[in-house]
Amino acid sequence: DSGVTQTPKHLITATGQRVTLRCSPRSGDLSVYWYQQSLDQGLQFLIQYYNGEERAKGNILERFSAQQFPDLHSELNLSSLELGDSALYFCASSVIGSGEQYFGPGTRLTVT
Amino acid sequence: GESVGLHLPTLSVQEGDNSIINCAYSNSASDYFIWYKQESGKGPQFIIDIRSNMDKRQGQRVTVLLNKTVKHLSLQIAATQPGDSAVYFCAETIGGGADGLTFGKGTHLIIQP
Repeated sequence: DSGVTQTPKHLITATGQRVTLRCSPRSGDLSVYWYQQSLDQGLQFLIQYYNGEERAKGNILERFSAQQFPDLHSELNLSSLELGDSALYFCASSVIGSGEQYFGPGTRLTVT
Repeated sequence: GESVGLHLPTLSVQEGDNSIINCAYSNSASDYFIWYKQESGKGPQFIIDIRSNMDKRQGQRVTVLLNKTVKHLSLQIAATQPGDSAVYFCAETIGGGADGLTFGKGTHLIIQP
């Protein structure tokens, strides 16, 4: 158990819909990262937050957004969903300055 | 395309043998490299890391080698056990690891009894 929690575990929704994925980092970790894992694209970095502020952006679509709240939990919002957004979404957290990221169990999103 | 890639998608080894998983990276500015293990249905799990000022780092039954000249990274697992069966990813980043990771496509390690 990495100490990172993600909800929900599974999510099935229709094209065009909007969903919110939630992540709670390990106790004491200020950095939160979001990754997408799909069969064709592999594991891709989406976005990072540090202590409530956006720190780095990766291959995140404009339809996707994230935020980190004062209690350090983070949410990833996916809107106008397409079939190609079906994937595993992982959250990771780390201590600032450490490259060792701890991954949560992921949320499996299926868009039908 | 990917800036980090793997030479072999699947590696099959006998239980008890040593395993070597290879990785090539293309971004010469990367200064921090990590190996992750992902078991079926789980998130990636940190195995070992290495910074660009090192050539070798050892952990428990694992060793990571970094060859900056040819931009090559390898993970050696000693005395492979059934629990080592998983997909292994190498990842790289710039700036010491504080930012997002760029992952390779993964190698599936299969342990034969």
